[in-house]
Amino acid sequence: DTEVTQTPKHLVMGMTNKKSLKCEQHMGHRAMYWYKQKAKKPPELMFVYSYEKLSINESVPSRFSPECPNSSLLNLHLHALQPEDSALYLCASSQDAGQGAQPQHFGDGTRLSIL
Amino acid sequence: AQKITQTQPGMFVQEKEAVTLDCTYDTSDQSYGLFWYKQPSSGEMIFLIYQGSYDEQNATEGRYSLNFQKARKSANLVISASQLGDSAMYFCAMRAVYNQGGKLIFGQGTELSVKP
Repeated sequence: DTEVTQTPKHLVMGMTNKKSLKCEQHMGHRAMYWYKQKAKKPPELMFVYSYEKLSINESVPSRFSPECPNSSLLNLHLHALQPEDSALYLCASSQDAGQGAQPQHFGDGTRLSIL
Repeated sequence: AQKITQTQPGMFVQEKEAVTLDCTYDTSDQSYGLFWYKQPSSGEMIFLIYQGSYDEQNATEGRYSLNFQKARKSANLVISASQLGDSAMYFCAMRAVYNQGGKLIFGQGTELSVKP
């Protein structure tokens, strides 16, 4: 079992829908991440939260809106997505975003399909 | 700029044999970390092993070992006694230890298939 929990595991939504992806970790980590991954490709970083503050936004379109309510939770709010946004969305956490020696631990991901 | 290169898009190995997955990297940082992740078809990214740039010994974790050759800038993953459950995508990744705010640089991945 992974220590980073993502819900839902699968999500199908229309282009006009609003939905949210959720991520939770109880390892006491202070850095959390959102990645987007297309099939057979490496993950692409979207956002980094460090101590509950957004520290990196990799020029992600505004139809993706991250939120970190507390140190254990990370949400990704979705609105007016496009078919090309269909992908696996991975959440990860690590002890500290500034410490590169610490591994990032990933969740199982949410498979998102946009109709 | 940092870069990770995995030159083997796909590999086959017979069950119970050892296999080496190649990874070369490029960085101007003096202190960096190298990681290997396994991703089965189910999607989860599983952390396997870590090697620090100043570690003198090669990292080992069970059946996984990392063949670290700093002068050649290579960090190959060796899986001993392959099992059917090892069939997955494997990613090599790197990041600077003290800067760049948590950004992992991934290679393109190697898809490993273990044959019975």
